[in-house]
Amino acid sequence: DQQVKQNSPSLSVQEGRISILNCDYTNSMFDYFLWYKKYPAEGPTFLISISSIKDKNEDGRFTVFLNKSAKHLSLHIVPSQPGDSAVYFCAASVRRIQGAQKLVFGQGTRLTINP
Amino acid sequence: DVKVTQSSRYLVKRTGEKVFLECVQDMDHENMFWYRQDPGLGLRLIYFSYDVKMKEKGDIPEGYSVSREKKERFSLILESASTNQTSMYLCASSLSGQGLYEQYFGPGTRLTVT
Repeated sequence: DQQVKQNSPSLSVQEGRISILNCDYTNSMFDYFLWYKKYPAEGPTFLISISSIKDKNEDGRFTVFLNKSAKHLSLHIVPSQPGDSAVYFCAASVRRIQGAQKLVFGQGTRLTINP
Repeated sequence: DVKVTQSSRYLVKRTGEKVFLECVQDMDHENMFWYRQDPGLGLRLIYFSYDVKMKEKGDIPEGYSVSREKKERFSLILESASTNQTSMYLCASSLSGQGLYEQYFGPGTRLTVT
């Protein structure tokens, strides 16, 4: 049972335009969300995150929006650049009092930025 | 900078072989994780460890075991490799504590079982 879903396996966007990547989740206990970016032959790298007490977090060209009632989050990249071409993973976590914070990942969306 | 290294980038093994995948992190992180990445399935957690000699099953532990004898090193063991364990294996580490969610990943090991 996929608790975190990225329903678009791929997305193609023109350079300079906005890229919007979407993620849906089913577990209402998730209280922290992250986006990771992965280039081929490299491990995923952390991009941006948001706590469930917020509805927006911004870092430069990257903004993550959280809609708790819809159990939906999105990543906006403006303006899109060729170096943004990668696979993007959405991840979510339920807060644990002690021990490791486990992450549940979505299937990933391959973003291609066209010049 | 956190550095997570994995012993091999590419590995080819035969069905039935015992396979060891090694992961080392240099940032004194308490937590370490093993994932596999498959097309259309994303990253799935196999096992994780929150302290030396401590481990917990993830979502897909069947066919795997782990070992953590030292804080910086976390090994994934395939007791008897099968073709359905052909995958990209990713190791990650993180700090322990409330509000600390970010995991740092190694470059991955692409394992092919023939």
